[in-house]
Amino acid sequence: NAGVMQNPRHLVRRRGQEARLRCSPMKGHSHVYWYRQLPEEGLKFMVYLQKENIIDESGMPKERFSAEFPKEGPSILRIQQVVRGDSAAYFCASSPPRFTGGAGNIQYFGAGTRLSVL
Amino acid sequence: AQTVTQSQPEMSVQEAETVTLSCTYDTSENNYYLFWYKQPPSRQMILVIRQEAYKQQNATENRFSVNFQKAAKSFSLKISDSQLGDTAMYFCALDFTQGGSEKLVFGKGTKLTVNP
Repeated sequence: NAGVMQNPRHLVRRRGQEARLRCSPMKGHSHVYWYRQLPEEGLKFMVYLQKENIIDESGMPKERFSAEFPKEGPSILRIQQVVRGDSAAYFCASSPPRFTGGAGNIQYFGAGTRLSVL
Repeated sequence: AQTVTQSQPEMSVQEAETVTLSCTYDTSENNYYLFWYKQPPSRQMILVIRQEAYKQQNATENRFSVNFQKAAKSFSLKISDSQLGDTAMYFCALDFTQGGSEKLVFGKGTKLTVNP
């Protein structure tokens, strides 16, 4: 069973360009989470998606950032008109369907995409 | 608001010895879990151990064990018989649900170096 796959591993963009980060969850997982890690910091929650639905985007900046998890294909985190402050490692995690309303669903992480904005 | 604090930015230990990493947290939720994740230089986030808040028994996973003190909101990680491969950043994380969502809140991490 392949793990969570993220690509690219490294992405270099110039200011003003668009960045697209891809995440393929583990087989059988229907939940995807995106986190951002700034240098010397822990991971910060950005968005939680299920297939074709955004469940919680409370951690995502209101402008320039968007995320989707279509019925077919990987989840995409899109950053428009990137600025230097967007430089960070972006991690995707996936988890299986939740059968209860409680916490404790293990999130399995990909290796991350390091975005560098020149 | 949920917060996680790791007060030790860096620690070191000799190979084969035992080390304890500290973590405190704050939450008003009753249903939550606590995790320790390891991030080696490869950057991959690897789950080390998980603790259910309603269980008093401390979780154990081979050489890794936790000391969970719910009243004190403390969740430390003990690594026994440290190995060179344990060198990594270690992150403590709080997992909770709120309004139909579930998310992890991470501490800033502790950089652990195991010396030969």
